[in-house]
Amino acid sequence: GENVEQHPSTLSVQEGDSAVIKCTYSDSASNYFPWYKQELGKRPQLIIDIRSNVGEKKDQRIAVTLNKTAKHFSLHITETQPEDSAVYFCAASRPSNYQLIWGAGTKLIIKP
Amino acid sequence: DVKVTQSSRYLVKRTGEKVFLECVQDMDHENMFWYRQDPGLGLRLIYFSYDVKMKEKGDIPEGYSVSREKKERFSLILESASTNQTSMYLCASSWGGRVVEKLFFGSGTQLSVL
Repeated sequence: GENVEQHPSTLSVQEGDSAVIKCTYSDSASNYFPWYKQELGKRPQLIIDIRSNVGEKKDQRIAVTLNKTAKHFSLHITETQPEDSAVYFCAASRPSNYQLIWGAGTKLIIKP
Repeated sequence: DVKVTQSSRYLVKRTGEKVFLECVQDMDHENMFWYRQDPGLGLRLIYFSYDVKMKEKGDIPEGYSVSREKKERFSLILESASTNQTSMYLCASSWGGRVVEKLFFGSGTQLSVL
């Protein structure tokens, strides 16, 4: 069935280094790929999204890349800071009902 | 600023009880959603609604029902709570249109069924 696989489940990086989280989707007709950030005890919030007609999108220290051929997309965070510590979820649109299929989440730990 | 408010942050219920989780949004969004969040499983869609009195099943609707009598309010009902429904429940809303885009989430209700 349709699914989104997200790796790694936990990522620990030194403050100032870069972090990369990868997701793979199964339905080639998916055309919308958002990333949400959930800080501890808080609600998920959209941080960046990309559509299938674009290969890359940047917003300050975060970027998302999409490889439609391989059916995967990645979140890149540069110059990581303590406030980047959170769980990050990727998702892909499901063409059959226009809803989102979610990855399992990645816990990002920024080490001081 | 969009506000999605869930009525309870923590809830403890007994097996077999009927449970109501309430969600209210103040941005006149057409779309509303109920998700449950479990560690290692991401977010799973229970039910969603595109408009008042409309509802559609998500991926895991069994054991749940919903009600949307007013545009701003979307209720999740556990007809007979069971221990496997212990979870974090997240309500969300978004602008209209069939394609779901930016979701605004509530703070969540952590439900424990004993």
